[in-house]
Amino acid sequence: DTEVTQTPKHLVMGMTNKKSLKCEQHMGHRAMYWYKQKAKKPPELMFVYSYEKLSINESVPSRFSPECPNSSLLNLHLHALQPEDSALYLCASSYLTSNEKLFFGSGTQLSVL
Amino acid sequence: QKEVEQNSGPLSVPEGAIASLNCTYSDRGSQSFFWYRQYSGKSPELIMFIYSNGDKEDGRFTAQLNKASQYVSLLIRDSQPSDSATYLCAVNKGNTGNQFYFGTGTSLTVIP
Repeated sequence: DTEVTQTPKHLVMGMTNKKSLKCEQHMGHRAMYWYKQKAKKPPELMFVYSYEKLSINESVPSRFSPECPNSSLLNLHLHALQPEDSALYLCASSYLTSNEKLFFGSGTQLSVL
Repeated sequence: QKEVEQNSGPLSVPEGAIASLNCTYSDRGSQSFFWYRQYSGKSPELIMFIYSNGDKEDGRFTAQLNKASQYVSLLIRDSQPSDSATYLCAVNKGNTGNQFYFGTGTSLTVIP
């Protein structure tokens, strides 16, 4: 199994809603990542979990709340988002040894109304 | 200074030609280097990786790394219309594989 699975593929939410994005991998990777990508821009690192602990938070607003329940699962909880948060949210994973490759899921296209 | 810089293009080449994509990075401590292809509306797909100075070939793709010049390139030989996509250069800054940063991407169009 060489896949990173993200759900849902598309999400439309209002500014007062609470929703969650989910990500799962069964490759034995111990690092998991959330990236945000706006149209015609590169992926922008949000969070990194290493061994289920948050190791990098790139100054992301608190309306985004990550969670790593176990080594295979990664969630991103969303609350009180703004329309400018509309983007493609990408989950990725990798091993934690040197020179490892990053593998992406198919992403969740989020629209905030 | 941005971590990773690329010429955003767009780059247009005729079918069958060689496409050359370039990337520079700012941190000399960067360990490994990657090229991802991204079609519109899809997630990035890893196509090449390189860790040591020199060239690495895989089919029609060749990655080149020059750590002294902090420069990475990707050559696509015999370009096909299906190669039309955005190509993202990525750099792993960390020793433990958890600091991947991306360039702005180069949009490539292969003209039939």
